Amino acid sequence: SQQGEEDPQALSIQEGENATMNCSYKTSINNLQWYRQNSGRGLVHLILIRSNEREKHSGRLRVTLDTSKKSSSLLITASRAADTASYFCATDPGGFKTIFGAGTRLFVKA
Amino acid sequence: DAGVTQSPTHLIKTRGQQVTLRCSPKSGHDTVSWYQQALGQGPQFIFQYYEEEERQRGNFPDRFSGHQFPNYSSELNVNALLLGDSALYLCASSLVGVVGNTIYFGEGSWLTVV
Repeated sequence: SQQGEEDPQALSIQEGENATMNCSYKTSINNLQWYRQNSGRGLVHLILIRSNEREKHSGRLRVTLDTSKKSSSLLITASRAADTASYFCATDPGGFKTIFGAGTRLFVKA
Repeated sequence: DAGVTQSPTHLIKTRGQQVTLRCSPKSGHDTVSWYQQALGQGPQFIFQYYEEEERQRGNFPDRFSGHQFPNYSSELNVNALLLGDSALYLCASSLVGVVGNTIYFGEGSWLTVV
């Protein structure tokens, strides 16, 4: 079973709007990462937030982490049609494997 | 700087056959992980190789096996293919010992079992 669960499963917005995706996980983690996947392609790393961090920014991306609630959110500001993709959170609960959620499918309409 | 490369990109196999997928890690990386991604799902961890040994395995049967070579490249073998093995198989590489290290993914190998 997967550790992370993204919400919503799918999101459709207009270009220029902000997109917010949420991720919940079950066990304690060392860090949490967000990845992007264009249709049928490999995953691209977007941002990593460590368990002792609460917020991190990278360009138009803002990630928050609440370890007490075991949740994270990814905000994409001023979205573009090129942001259309699936977004996955991935947790590192210890050991050597990274656990992915089922993803949020974002569609940005031009 | 070459990223993670995988081959083949697409293949079709018949139920019961065997398949071998190949992966070359990003330059400088020594650890290779394999993931299975079914349509509409997130990647599921199969196993990880470091120093030519499998050091962690996910919830996959023994039909799934792997190998890592001295140059850090890796193979994933699946025996006795089932229809349910149809998926995108992703290889990811990283550098051991780096806290919170980023995993770099290849473009994947699409396997269709008919």
